[in-house]
Amino acid sequence: KNQVEQSPQSLIILEGKNCTLQCNYTVSPFSNLRWYKQDTGRGPVSLTIMTFSENTKSNGRYTATLDADTKQSSLHITASQLSDSASYICVVRGPRNTDKLIFGTGTRLQVFP
Amino acid sequence: DADVTQTPRNRITKTGKRIMLECSQTKGHDRMYWYRQDPGLGLRLIYYSFDVKDINKGEISDGYSVSRQAQAKFSLSLESAIPNQTALYFCATGWGGELFFGEGSRLTVL
Repeated sequence: KNQVEQSPQSLIILEGKNCTLQCNYTVSPFSNLRWYKQDTGRGPVSLTIMTFSENTKSNGRYTATLDADTKQSSLHITASQLSDSASYICVVRGPRNTDKLIFGTGTRLQVFP
Repeated sequence: DADVTQTPRNRITKTGKRIMLECSQTKGHDRMYWYRQDPGLGLRLIYYSFDVKDINKGEISDGYSVSRQAQAKFSLSLESAIPNQTALYFCATGWGGELFFGEGSRLTVL
């Protein structure tokens, strides 16, 4: 069964600290993997996309990694800010011709001053 | 203006009532989606449409119906709302796996 599992479910850190969120998937075949940020009461917004051939991609203080062999991705947030408080959702796209998306349940990050 | 606009943003209704959630988008994409989000369950696909004449059921379509009025408009209906349809509903558009979501419609069924 195609699944996407994220850990931890929730995380609390102090402003300025770094953190890493994990995403493990069993989706096969696999087209790409995206990380979305969802602020409370808002819709998810795409942060970064990883394709099969990419290992690392950065978007400002956000760095995503992908290991397609072990089917694992991580999202590293550097020098966290209060505005990073949100849920982070990992979404894996299945075969290109089906446009099927499998969503993780998200990691709820809270950044305190 | 938002790329994907949902109305209403919040709605409280009673069991058995008919509810319609509306969505419009200015991204110009053909594909539109309705998702439901519940705590701890993530986003689940209700219906999706690849163009005005192409509508498909998602993984949890029972109790819901949709109408694609135009390329830019996609509405979701609950013909007879029940309490377990209380959730946050999102409309989205996009392709290639990148979705642009609306701000969500929070529905409470009493």
